[in-house]
Amino acid sequence: DVKVTQSSRYLVKRTGEKVFLECVQDMDHENMFWYRQDPGLGLRLIYFSYDVKMKEKGDIPEGYSVSREKKERFSLILESASTNQTSMYLCASRGLIGEQFFGPGTRLTVL
Amino acid sequence: QQQVKQSPQSLIVQKGGIPIINCAYENTAFDYFPWYQQFPGKGPALLIAIRPDVSEKKEGRFTISFNKSAKQFSLHIMDSQPGDSATYFCAASMTSGTYKYIFGTGTRLKVLA
Repeated sequence: DVKVTQSSRYLVKRTGEKVFLECVQDMDHENMFWYRQDPGLGLRLIYFSYDVKMKEKGDIPEGYSVSREKKERFSLILESASTNQTSMYLCASRGLIGEQFFGPGTRLTVL
Repeated sequence: QQQVKQSPQSLIVQKGGIPIINCAYENTAFDYFPWYQQFPGKGPALLIAIRPDVSEKKEGRFTISFNKSAKQFSLHIMDSQPGDSATYFCAASMTSGTYKYIFGTGTRLKVLA
């Protein structure tokens, strides 16, 4: 079974802090994704990566950056957290036939 | 052109009923249409997916119907159970290119015992 793990289930940070969210997959997938999920808005793509050191902006990249130094690990960085970044963050990796496998999510609260 | 419109936003059915969730897309280049199920506090889990070369796909109690000419697809849950109460998301994707998913906004389903 594909496993996608995220470093924290719950995180509380203060405005202005730098925040790192880590995601690891164990299936040697090339494509990985970061989404945020908000009520009524569904899942919105922040960034994705189609290979090591390769990244592309998604639909809502402002205020975020990413890092992919190793194939199995994709990190989301909030350079200076703000209250409007309070959300559920979901990482996913893409299998061979197009299916995406999601991690359990990190619920981030920015105070 | 990139939107996927999902309806209804919420749905309540009795146990044994057949909830139907609908999605519509615009971009005819989409060729992969998955449905995800999400329980509170969990990440979405792939339920079933279809490609446009078939009009229907069944997996257990879950069925996708696909209408290529209308650019619509729907999820049917047969003999629904209280354990099916969850949020359901449809999505559309191209299996070549960037592989991005475009998600619908979700349907919150409640199955009453």
